[in-house]
Amino acid sequence: EAQVTQNPRYLITVTGKKLTVTCSQNMNHEYMSWYRQDPGLGLRQIYYSMNVEVTDKGDVPEGYKVSRKEKRNFPLILESPSPNQTSLYFCASSFGTDNSPLHFGNGTRLTVT
Amino acid sequence: AQSVTQLDSHVSVSEGTPVLLRCNYSSSYSPSLFWYVQHPNKGLQLLLKYTSAATLVKGINGFEAEFKKSETSFHLTKPSAHMSDAAEYFCVVKGTALIFGKGTTLSVSS
Repeated sequence: EAQVTQNPRYLITVTGKKLTVTCSQNMNHEYMSWYRQDPGLGLRQIYYSMNVEVTDKGDVPEGYKVSRKEKRNFPLILESPSPNQTSLYFCASSFGTDNSPLHFGNGTRLTVT
Repeated sequence: AQSVTQLDSHVSVSEGTPVLLRCNYSSSYSPSLFWYVQHPNKGLQLLLKYTSAATLVKGINGFEAEFKKSETSFHLTKPSAHMSDAAEYFCVVKGTALIFGKGTTLSVSS
């Protein structure tokens, strides 16, 4: 089954403790992206990647890192999480052409205390 | 510059009545437009997309949207709402970047 898999689904952590949210897709998509969703703000792009070893900042990259060493994986890294990073995070992927829609994972709900 | 505005943050309808979710966009050239649906505790799922072919686009679950260039609109409609349509809906414009609207929550009462 074609899918984008994020792990974990839920994560509670403390300020400053490094964490990684994994994202994997099995559709051979070139484009992958991370979003955060907050009430009243919709989805905002954190980072995106057009292909292996190519990553770029989105609208809200501060406090986040990503890597794209393999085509299928695009982990999101929070080196020193802070409470304002409490949010619902989504990974998405697509073929990257103008008309190709995004396929989303089921989300990771992160709480930083 | 591109932007997308969903004109209603919340729409309530009765089961069996029509649904209208409004979306206006701004783009300096012909964009691709999408509608996504998000059910509770789920990721976003594509409903339909406009890619400069037919202006009336049919999607899944009986939804459709009409691209009106003169009005810069891409409203989502469904003739008859079902309880399972209750969800959050996002209008998305894609030009040089992907821009999400802030979402419209659709409530369906019996």
